[in-house]
Amino acid sequence: AQKVTQAQTEISVVEKEDVTLDCVYETRDTTYYLFWYKQPPSGELVFLIRRNSFDEQNEISGRYSWNFQKSTSSFNFTITASQVVDSAVYFCALSGGGNTGTASKLTFGTGTRLQVTL
Amino acid sequence: ETGVTQSPTHLIKTRGQQVTLRCSSQSGHNTVSWYQQALGQGPQFIFQYYREEENGRGNFPPRFSGLQFPNYSSELNVNALELDDSALYLCASSFGLALPSDTQYFGPGTRLTVL
Repeated sequence: AQKVTQAQTEISVVEKEDVTLDCVYETRDTTYYLFWYKQPPSGELVFLIRRNSFDEQNEISGRYSWNFQKSTSSFNFTITASQVVDSAVYFCALSGGGNTGTASKLTFGTGTRLQVTL
Repeated sequence: ETGVTQSPTHLIKTRGQQVTLRCSSQSGHNTVSWYQQALGQGPQFIFQYYREEENGRGNFPPRFSGLQFPNYSSELNVNALELDDSALYLCASSFGLALPSDTQYFGPGTRLTVL
């Protein structure tokens, strides 16, 4: 069975601080995909990134960066110079396990609520 | 903007009633998945439809059912509502062959309250 753990329930930072959101996953599949989504108070999940299990290169997109380490089954997300608009709940998710329908389902962690204050 | 819309935004029902939630996907997105998100939790997979056929189901009872239509719209039906069905229901669509690599784009959700 697949599992995603986001141990940090809530993080509070002051604007311009850097913050890292942790994600640890469990899967028996050799091919799998990892995602990060942002959920602002409006409720809509906003896609941020997708990474496949064969690509361990770190990725940077503006103030966002992701560190994928297969050896520790982690896919951490860092926001540099945080801003108030970054305040939201962030979810890490996992899919995989073949080509049947349930393989493409997303297994989500419980989310990390990020509060950025002035 | 993901191009995925859901209606209604909010809904209040009483225990035992039936409810239908609706989702409209982007044109060309032939896969739709439904998720239930309880307060303070991550979304849980209910089921997926690919080209109008059910293509996988999570651990939800048969009173949760769905339909997908050729015009990229879909429905989630829940019969015999229970108090624990109170949650945010999210629809997600994707373009592809319903593979794990597909990126799912979510709608804003329908908040269902069961009294």
